[in-house]
Amino acid sequence: DTEVTQTPKHLVMGMTNKKSLKCEQHMGHRAMYWYKQKAKKPPELMFVYSYEKLSINESVPSRFSPECPNSSLLNLHLHALQPEDSALYLCASSQGGGRGYTFGSGTRLTVV
Amino acid sequence: AQSVTQPDIHITVSEGASLELRCNYSYGATPYLFWYVQSPGQGLQLLLKYFSGDTLVQGIKGFEAEFKRSQSSFNLRKPSVHWSDAAEYFCAVGAYNSGNEKLTFGTGTRLTIIP
Repeated sequence: DTEVTQTPKHLVMGMTNKKSLKCEQHMGHRAMYWYKQKAKKPPELMFVYSYEKLSINESVPSRFSPECPNSSLLNLHLHALQPEDSALYLCASSQGGGRGYTFGSGTRLTVV
Repeated sequence: AQSVTQPDIHITVSEGASLELRCNYSYGATPYLFWYVQSPGQGLQLLLKYFSGDTLVQGIKGFEAEFKRSQSSFNLRKPSVHWSDAAEYFCAVGAYNSGNEKLTFGTGTRLTIIP
């Protein structure tokens, strides 16, 4: 299995809702990442988990809450989002050592 | 801190013509360099990567890239483009920071193919 699987593919949520994005990989990668990508922009790093521990938080608002239940799973819990949070959320994993990331196909999030 | 510059926002190429997408990086040590491709609404697919060895790197879909340390460049090339190559292309540099690997992307180049 050489894929990163993200669910759901599309999500529409209201500003008072609570929802979660899920990411799964079975490549044995030790690091997992959340990126946010606005239209016509490059991906921006949000969080890095290394060996299931949060190692980088790029000053992301607390309405985004990551969780890494085990080495294969990564969640992003969403609460009280704003319309400007609408974007493509990408999950990625890597072996480290400069070997590059494997990206999922993303969750297209719309906040209404 | 590392950074990547892709000077061309949008490039239009005729099908069958050759292609070169430019990428310049800034990093204090030997960089890990990558090219990714993204079709509309999709995730990113790794085309090729460089971190040591031969400076001419072969990737998938007939793409290649050349690392030139003296010019801090990692340009992507393809001898003959196909209509299916139309997409957004991102150059990225990977670096270790406090034990964590961090990937920094350029702003991307949108490739349009005309018949």
